Amino acid sequence: DIQMTQSPSSLSASVGDSVTITCRASKTVSTYLNWYQQKPGRAPNLLIFASSTLQSGVPSRFSGTASGTDFTLTISGLEPDDFATYYCQQSYSTPYTFGQGTKLEIK
Amino acid sequence: QVQVVQSGAEMKKPGASVIVSCKTSGDVFTGYFIHWLRQAPGQGPEWMGWINPNSGVTKYAQKFQDRVTITTDTSVNTAYMELKKLTVDDTAVYYCARDMVWHQIRGYFEYWGLGTLITVSS
Repeated sequence: DIQMTQSPSSLSASVGDSVTITCRASKTVSTYLNWYQQKPGRAPNLLIFASSTLQSGVPSRFSGTASGTDFTLTISGLEPDDFATYYCQQSYSTPYTFGQGTKLEIK
Repeated sequence: QVQVVQSGAEMKKPGASVIVSCKTSGDVFTGYFIHWLRQAPGQGPEWMGWINPNSGVTKYAQKFQDRVTITTDTSVNTAYMELKKLTVDDTAVYYCARDMVWHQIRGYFEYWGLGTLITVSS
């Protein structure tokens, strides 16, 4: 199975800040890397697929990049609605696997 | 507007089986793969398997291979996930999610149900 390692596991930031979350795959996933946002008691919500393609309706302050087996999710100009847990997920091969999550909290 | 509606929470005893249903509307049911995932308390999501509603072909995670069965009833636009031989470690919220691309498996979980809490306890 492909292991996905996210860092940091938690992050404190203020409204207006920019933050970056990193995800590393244990082997190549090409660009089949997706990002989700999850709020307590809710299902995950797809933000970015194929490493850098923004899902319809997702604000442009979210962006994704890829470099080999390293991937980043950047949120530029945090808004109150962005404080949540973020997961990366590879869809290169089954079993599809997720990172352990990054909890973004208000400072 | 695509909607995904799952069946309600259940409580089961160890060794029992559970079936969770997932009904989609607002689009062509047989056009998109359906995935099942689960999320244990405080953990990230875990993918269990997918089904192609157009053909009935399934793919399961090795971890669940001998205990899970995913099926569909295209007459009612509903997918089902049966998990057998439940243990306390199977306590989780179970989600179905629709893939994004027409007639292709991408593993992009675009539309999710609200989740079904399955509690396994003696």
